[in-house]
Amino acid sequence: NAGVMQNPRHLVRRRGQEARLRCSPMKGHSHVYWYRQLPEEGLKFMVYLQKENIIDESGMPKERFSAEFPKEGPSILRIQQVVRGDSAAYFCASSPGTSGVWEQYFGPGTRLTVT
Amino acid sequence: KQEVTQIPAALSVPEGENLVLNCSFTDSAIYNLQWFRQDPGKGLTSLLLIQSSQREQTSGRLNASLDKSSGRSTLYIAASQPGDSATYLCAVSLQGDSWGKLQFGAGTQVVVTP
Repeated sequence: NAGVMQNPRHLVRRRGQEARLRCSPMKGHSHVYWYRQLPEEGLKFMVYLQKENIIDESGMPKERFSAEFPKEGPSILRIQQVVRGDSAAYFCASSPGTSGVWEQYFGPGTRLTVT
Repeated sequence: KQEVTQIPAALSVPEGENLVLNCSFTDSAIYNLQWFRQDPGKGLTSLLLIQSSQREQTSGRLNASLDKSSGRSTLYIAASQPGDSATYLCAVSLQGDSWGKLQFGAGTQVVVTP
């Protein structure tokens, strides 16, 4: 059973470009979470999604950021018009979501650098 | 507002010593608490999950306790090895939040010297 997969592992964008980060959850997992780790800071929750639904986006910046988890395919975190402050490691996690089983399994992360 | 604190921020021990890592949280209304390790430049590896109704969990050399009423969890690693060198993170999911929202501490950076 492959773990959570994220691609690309490293992404370089110039200011003003768009960044698309992909996450494929573990097989059988229907819940996906995105977290951001800024340099010298801890991990911060961004958004929690189930298939075709955003459950909690309380940690998402109000502008430029969006996330989706379509019926088919990976979850996508999209950052429009990137700025230097968006440079960070973005981690995706998944969980089965079945009753009582909420352990989250993390992917290797995508390291975004904005030049 | 839930705050998760990990003390100490950094720890260095000789190989063979037991490690004791502390995590405290201000709001005791949690669903569960999860311990992770993070290696430099890598993702997080889940170590143990303790549900709010449990007092401890064990896996091999690792043991984690939870005292919800006092807002504390402790991770014990027995007979440390150089391969245990990593940053250890604790995270809680809070009742009243969505199930999936983990709040992390800043971590304890551990170095085990041969």
